[in-house]
Amino acid sequence: SQQGEEDPQALSIQEGENATMNCSYKTSINNLQWYRQNSGRGLVHLILIRSNEREKHSGRLRVTLDTSKKSSSLLITASRAADTASYFCATVFTNAGKSTFGDGTTLTVKP
Amino acid sequence: DTGVSQNPRHKITKRGQNVTFRCDPISEHNRLYWYRQTLGQGPEFLTYFQNEAQLEKSRLLSDRFSAERPKGSFSTLEIQRTEQGDSAMYLCASSPTRGGDMNTEAFFGQGTRLTVV
Repeated sequence: SQQGEEDPQALSIQEGENATMNCSYKTSINNLQWYRQNSGRGLVHLILIRSNEREKHSGRLRVTLDTSKKSSSLLITASRAADTASYFCATVFTNAGKSTFGDGTTLTVKP
Repeated sequence: DTGVSQNPRHKITKRGQNVTFRCDPISEHNRLYWYRQTLGQGPEFLTYFQNEAQLEKSRLLSDRFSAERPKGSFSTLEIQRTEQGDSAMYLCASSPTRGGDMNTEAFFGQGTRLTVV
């Protein structure tokens, strides 16, 4: 399978703590994207990181990409209860932009 | 433009019936994708359009599934002779190509939840 795999499957933290989620994949990519999904809703795009980039920031989000290890991480700093959701990494292998998703990390932030 | 719109939001159908879902992408997004998601899993790719051309279909898409994007704008996904295993959330996404840059984010709709009874 070429899909990304997130780790851990589930993460529970207290509000204010940082949350780190990891994604591993198997083949070379064009880019890697992180999405958030609240229960029963559509996916919200968070960050896109290209294969020639190593780190990107967006507000409280920090994404790193290590193409030599075929892995990425998503860090959410100073978490809030509203960050409670499932987080997916999606790898894009071709110029078609088709994304291959992992099964996600379920994050619970306790107030 | 308020984003990608999918209709209906929910559909309950009896096994063996045909269903059709509609997706209205963000205006001027020339790429459109359909995904299927079951509980506890990530979305699985079904098919992809560049304008009106269907350029890729997953092996997951059996002969009972067909998708169209007749004028390069909205798209429909039809499932014929539905089976209980078709029960899932069907997600549509669109993305632009900016100046030929294919590395652009996809914007997802809220999905159509199908229940086959």
